[in-house]
Amino acid sequence: SQQGEEDPQALSIQEGENATMNCSYKTSINNLQWYRQNSGRGLVHLILIRSNEREKHSGRLRVTLDTSKKSSSLLITASRAADTASYFCATGLRTGGYNKLIFGAGTRLAVHP
Amino acid sequence: DGGITQSPKYLFRKEGQNVTLSCEQNLNHDAMYWYRQDPGQGLRLIYYSQIVNDFQKGDIAEGYSVSREKKESFPLTVTSAQKNPTAFYLCASSIQEYTGELFFGEGSRLTVL
Repeated sequence: SQQGEEDPQALSIQEGENATMNCSYKTSINNLQWYRQNSGRGLVHLILIRSNEREKHSGRLRVTLDTSKKSSSLLITASRAADTASYFCATGLRTGGYNKLIFGAGTRLAVHP
Repeated sequence: DGGITQSPKYLFRKEGQNVTLSCEQNLNHDAMYWYRQDPGQGLRLIYYSQIVNDFQKGDIAEGYSVSREKKESFPLTVTSAQKNPTAFYLCASSIQEYTGELFFGEGSRLTVL
């Protein structure tokens, strides 16, 4: 697998349901970030969790990080049709003396009214 | 409003032509980045710049060139040497190199005819 790989690739749910997306990575990280992208638009930063943190909340978003399993999850509670978008995890790490941010391929979320 | 402006949003190019994509930011950020996004894939880093008059190649720099003459501006030239230039191009910036969240522009979609 690549650094920062999301699962599932696509998710279809009804409004009001919760949506959970997972991200796995291979190497040690400094932080992990989640971004959202509406179709044909730029990415919008949602949340950043540092390697020494286990959980963060922002509104209806809950992110967890398990560094022992090298995985993170993004939970969107009480989803709305407006949450329909692609969600990307990005792992922040330092390699070769440089900071890097590596994006996964994303999870496409469809929320049906 | 502070942000990143990319232009043009859509661009068509004939094979053999160079094209330049504009990226301007008024966030006073030191670091700027260019990413390429292909359908169903994550973002791949083309070039990045930490400060004015300095830039480094990313993972897929071949066939591209950049300049950073002003803090606010980081234009990307897609040269005729780029074998498969049709893609969605995203510019981003951050306060410093990969130390926090990235702010993205709305993207430029390049189509080679």
